[in-house]
Amino acid sequence: AQKVTQAQTEISVVEKEDVTLDCVYETRDTTYYLFWYKQPPSGELVFLIRRNSFDEQNEISGRYSWNFQKSTSSFNFTITASQVVDSAVYFCALSEASGGSNYKLTFGKGTLLTVNP
Amino acid sequence: GAVVSQHPSRVICKSGTSVKIECRSLDFQATTMFWYRQFPKQSLMLMATSNEGSKATYEQGVEKDKFLINHASLTLSTLTVTSAHPEDSSFYICSARDLVRVGQPQHFGDGTRLSIL
Repeated sequence: AQKVTQAQTEISVVEKEDVTLDCVYETRDTTYYLFWYKQPPSGELVFLIRRNSFDEQNEISGRYSWNFQKSTSSFNFTITASQVVDSAVYFCALSEASGGSNYKLTFGKGTLLTVNP
Repeated sequence: GAVVSQHPSRVICKSGTSVKIECRSLDFQATTMFWYRQFPKQSLMLMATSNEGSKATYEQGVEKDKFLINHASLTLSTLTVTSAHPEDSSFYICSARDLVRVGQPQHFGDGTRLSIL
């Protein structure tokens, strides 16, 4: 069975601080995908990144960066120089990479990030 | 980019009413669509996997007769909450997987806030 753990329920920072959101996952599959989604107060899910289990390269996109450590089953997300608009719930998710599973997503419980001015 | 349209965005109705929610993939074909439910301050929980032309696959604990799913075409899946009661009030969100671009991230609709009085 798959499991995604986001141990941080809520994080509060002051604008311009860097913040890291943790994600630890469990799966028996050797091939899988990891995702991060942002859910602002309006409710829609905004896709941020997908990472294949074979690709352990870290990625940077603007103020966002992701650290994938297969050895520790972690896929952490860092926001540099946070802004008020970053305030949202962030979900880490995992899907199997086999067609038989229909690529079902398993979500973590989410981390509520509040960036204060 | 790929767009999933979910309608309506908000429903308020009396107890005992049946409510239909539509999920459409606008610029791609989706043999598989997913329906999630999210209670306030909680994560997204997969309710069922909707398969075009066949019966939906429900997750454990989800009542099939309560949550009717129809996936009649490659671009449309509907979720009907039958005889809704206040405990069915929740945020329902659908996602669709592109038939051609296998493994690509699921595309999410903007969700439907259902409030049963």
